[in-house]
Amino acid sequence: GAVVSQHPSRVICKSGTSVKIECRSLDFQATTMFWYRQFPKQSLMLMATSNEGSKATYEQGVEKDKFLINHASLTLSTLTVTSAHPEDSSFYICSATDRVLNQPQHFGDGTRLSIL
Amino acid sequence: GQQVMQIPQYQHVQEGEDFTTYCNSSTTLSNIQWYKQRPGGHPVFLIQLVKSGEVKKQKRLTFQFGEAKKNSSLHITATQTTDVGTYFCAGRYSGAGSYQLTFGKGTKLSVIP
Repeated sequence: GAVVSQHPSRVICKSGTSVKIECRSLDFQATTMFWYRQFPKQSLMLMATSNEGSKATYEQGVEKDKFLINHASLTLSTLTVTSAHPEDSSFYICSATDRVLNQPQHFGDGTRLSIL
Repeated sequence: GQQVMQIPQYQHVQEGEDFTTYCNSSTTLSNIQWYKQRPGGHPVFLIQLVKSGEVKKQKRLTFQFGEAKKNSSLHITATQTTDVGTYFCAGRYSGAGSYQLTFGKGTKLSVIP
């Protein structure tokens, strides 16, 4: 089946550091990738939709200058948490879907980000 | 905005008992998907329902989509310890952003051996 690789799986860093998370579709072309944030025991909250070759669409309340998204190719999207602070600590998950509408989203393994 | 309500939030069952989780949307859905997330893991796609009144089965799991395409349910017969996890429904709406999914809050299932 479709595989999405997300890296790194865990990051622990100091406050003020910028952290880049990669999301790759390994065996299909993903024109659209999604970035979610999940707090403990909570549902997935969509942060932004990343479209290959264009600017990402951010959900209300998500700071685009804080969470930089780049989707430079059909197989790679990156999320950079800039100048991270403890309140940014969370579980970030990406998903990808192929060109055919109504296909399921395939999720990466997630990145657990801890800001000290 | 569009919301998908999911209940219950938690469910503890004895192994062998049945389990059901329900999702409801205030507006008509284009389709609905179900995902399972094991503790520490990522959501894994289970199934997609598209047609009004659709019923699909996967072994002990039965998925239903309401006639009005506003509600859905997942029923597990004779639960096993391997069923443990959080089950999310995710609805898709027509129109702009129709490729996005709106997730319910999930139902966390615990199975007591």
